[in-house]
Amino acid sequence: AQSVTQLDSHVSVSEGTPVLLRCNYSSSYSPSLFWYVQHPNKGLQLLLKYTSAATLVKGINGFEAEFKKSETSFHLTKPSAHMRDAAEYFCVVSGPPGTYKYIFGTGTRLKVLA
Amino acid sequence: DAGVIQSPRHEVTEMGQEVTLRCKPISGHDYLFWYRQTMMRGLELLIYFNNNVPIDDSGMPEDRFSAKMPNASFSTLKIQPSEPRDSAVYFCASSLAGATYEQYFGPGTRLTVT
Repeated sequence: AQSVTQLDSHVSVSEGTPVLLRCNYSSSYSPSLFWYVQHPNKGLQLLLKYTSAATLVKGINGFEAEFKKSETSFHLTKPSAHMRDAAEYFCVVSGPPGTYKYIFGTGTRLKVLA
Repeated sequence: DAGVIQSPRHEVTEMGQEVTLRCKPISGHDYLFWYRQTMMRGLELLIYFNNNVPIDDSGMPEDRFSAKMPNASFSTLKIQPSEPRDSAVYFCASSLAGATYEQYFGPGTRLTVT
């Protein structure tokens, strides 16, 4: 079975400091992993994806994530937070092969302090 | 590309009324997903289609909910009769069959049932 755990429901950082949003997954096969961002009253936007190629994945807006199979983790990072990064972030693992379903984490709300 | 288009963006209706939500997927995509997002339950997959055929409707809450996809460029989610507990944001997403699985989300329809 597949599952995904976002370890922090809320994260606060100061503008200009690094961001770390943590995600652990469980999967009985080699999954695809994604991070999505949702700004208030908006839809979900794909930040980046891992699909068994390079383990360090670069996404939009300066975000990146590293797939660590030994730790079953896919943490999202950014070197320097900006006010516009304040949003909710979802870690997603692909469902069983062939189903095209997503398994969503519960989300992490990122607050950026001026 | 215009992305996934949903209408209406906001819907306010009275309990017992029929509600129809609409979605136009990205042209060429062959998977379409309907989700519901609430504070209490997060993001839930309601149903998804492949090539206009419903594949998995196990997330549809009850018989009051129905979804159709009459052609590759249009889908509807209908609630009849609506109840206050149906109040949520409903998202449509589309995807293209292949190895990478990523889904592209629409802006959502915020439904309020009074």
